[in-house]
Amino acid sequence: GAGVSQSPSNKVTEKGKDVELRCDPISGHTALYWYRQSLGQGLEFLIYFQGNSAPDKSGLPSDRFSAERTGGSVSTLTIQRTQQEDSAVYLCASSSRETGNYNEQFFGPGTRLTVL
Amino acid sequence: DAKTTQPNSMESNEEEPVHLPCNHSTISGTDYIHWYRQLPSQGPEYVIHGLTSNVNNRMASLAIAEDRKSSTLILHRATLRDAAVYYCILRGEIYNFNKFYFGSGTKLNVKP
Repeated sequence: GAGVSQSPSNKVTEKGKDVELRCDPISGHTALYWYRQSLGQGLEFLIYFQGNSAPDKSGLPSDRFSAERTGGSVSTLTIQRTQQEDSAVYLCASSSRETGNYNEQFFGPGTRLTVL
Repeated sequence: DAKTTQPNSMESNEEEPVHLPCNHSTISGTDYIHWYRQLPSQGPEYVIHGLTSNVNNRMASLAIAEDRKSSTLILHRATLRDAAVYYCILRGEIYNFNKFYFGSGTKLNVKP
């Protein structure tokens, strides 16, 4: 079946502009995660959605970052007034707690964001 | 959050076994040990996880020390396709269930 998809695959923007990154999780997966990976670094947790519960936003680095998940499916990560230090690969993952191995997160290919 | 310590890099020859170590001395009793790997230019993929007992699956084996303060991911016969960054992660069963702390991982190079 279809895996996690993310769009765009690459985004180049100018400092100060807003950007929106999209994630389509695997159908039926109730959990959705956003991570950020700077060049040569490990993954940094940003935010977590689980069903209709309030999201865990504890990893968002500043109030310029926000995310929403509509209808328990598609998620959008928004970065306002982008800065050069926001340049990174943004990864989305989904998992299911209802059935099977809920420990396994399925990752999308990521969106590479470059802020000039 | 409990953290893990891994070597920055390791090298292996193709067709030979690889033992990737991970120290997690501050692990709590309810933390699961997870391993993910990230192939070049891809998102991470799940490899294996365990709590106390050693675990085997089609990709690898996970050996967990009796005191659970360390673990070893074992690739029985390394292939060129196994060249990746391997992340050892602790995940709480009750607390911090949402958060996977990936750290910087071990970059595995496989020589033909």
